[in-house]
Amino acid sequence: EVQLVESGGALVQPGGSLRLSCAASGFTVSSNYMSWVRQAPGKGLEWVSIIYSGGSTYYVDSVKGRFTISRDNSKNTVYLQMNSLRPEDTAVYYCAVCGGDSYYYYMAVWGKGTTVTVSS
Amino acid sequence: QTVVTQEPSFSVSPGGTVTLTCGLSSGSVSTSYYPTWYQQTPGQAPRTLIYNTNTRSSGVPDRFSGSILGNKAALTITGAQADDESDYYCVLYMGSGISVFGGGTQLTVL
Repeated sequence: EVQLVESGGALVQPGGSLRLSCAASGFTVSSNYMSWVRQAPGKGLEWVSIIYSGGSTYYVDSVKGRFTISRDNSKNTVYLQMNSLRPEDTAVYYCAVCGGDSYYYYMAVWGKGTTVTVSS
Repeated sequence: QTVVTQEPSFSVSPGGTVTLTCGLSSGSVSTSYYPTWYQQTPGQAPRTLIYNTNTRSSGVPDRFSGSILGNKAALTITGAQADDESDYYCVLYMGSGISVFGGGTQLTVL
């Protein structure tokens, strides 16, 4: 069974850093596209980042230069390193394994999320 | 900046049919955007309903269907049930690794 478990969410001050983890089971992270999606309190979903099986990475404009997606194949885990955090980064962060093909992807299976709060 | 548009809210009677749409602030939605639809209830993670315009995800009842209607992607729920009351989000794949969510539609069944 495919499972994703996010962790690492916390209360952090503006300008601070945090690393989120997404531990996967039932499949191999390195063979799949893996994505992060966030949801601010009372707001809609926002796609944040993706790492392709080949290692290419992409980000929404609002986090470029501040967030970095990566993976550890030995731990079958994906990470989201978040630096220079802002109050507007406050959200539940979901990890998802993607389906699709060489032309597109979609978020297929989701974790339950981890909460990040950026506040002084 | 690309904006994906959805109706903020919609209501349907139990047993009725409702079509939610997903458009672009500029231009038309086609299958080339590979529209995907998600259902989310409060406090829960999203659930994948439809991907690649009209392919139902595993376990999704066939009363959920996806299509392109005119210049928008569409999610149709036929025979709405009380537990269909949720938020529904579409996502369009823009290419070059980028996906964009719509603002979501809050569906009420009453």
